[in-house]
Amino acid sequence: NAGVMQNPRHLVRRRGQEARLRCSPMKGHSHVYWYRQLPEEGLKFMVYLQKENIIDESGMPKERFSAEFPKEGPSILRIQQVVRGDSAAYFCASSDSRNQPQHFGDGTRLSIL
Amino acid sequence: DQQVKQNSPSLSVQEGRISILNCDYTNSMFDYFLWYKKYPAEGPTFLISISSIKDKNEDGRFTVFLNKSAKHLSLHIVPSQPGDSAVYFCAASERLGAQKLVFGQGTRLTINP
Repeated sequence: NAGVMQNPRHLVRRRGQEARLRCSPMKGHSHVYWYRQLPEEGLKFMVYLQKENIIDESGMPKERFSAEFPKEGPSILRIQQVVRGDSAAYFCASSDSRNQPQHFGDGTRLSIL
Repeated sequence: DQQVKQNSPSLSVQEGRISILNCDYTNSMFDYFLWYKKYPAEGPTFLISISSIKDKNEDGRFTVFLNKSAKHLSLHIVPSQPGDSAVYFCAASERLGAQKLVFGQGTRLTINP
């Protein structure tokens, strides 16, 4: 009974490169959420997706960040032209409906050189 | 604009005693509250939740209390065990609209033998 799977666990990129973070939700879950955690802070909401639809992207930076959750395959959080300030832990969560608790993956730790 | 606040960054409790973690919120639209526990290098693990129609919810050693008039909730853990040492996050969401969670900054709980 696999939980939320995120990969890679650690990702190192140089400034200006692209970062792709993947999230496979728990089996049967069709709601996916992405959060970012900076050091010593709580998690901050970025985006909420259902299959093929972005429902709420109010926490996404306006530029360089995008997310998708295709009909087949994992959800992808894409960061273009990364900068040092993008260094953080990125967590994905899933739920089977809007009124059920979100279950989190173990995150991707992104480091920008 | 910190809508969910955990004012104690850390708490130390003797094994076997009660641990009480506190959380305050400012947004009166919040009506669903959750507590998560997080170990280093892992994702948050869901512990317990409460909806605003209740003032108490209990699950084993964990009890969450909600005081809507004071916009305050607390998590009680009794008896505390060494494995409870972790960072605890409280989170809140609005019933209407997207189900994004707003997190507090976390409280690091240490259980001493």
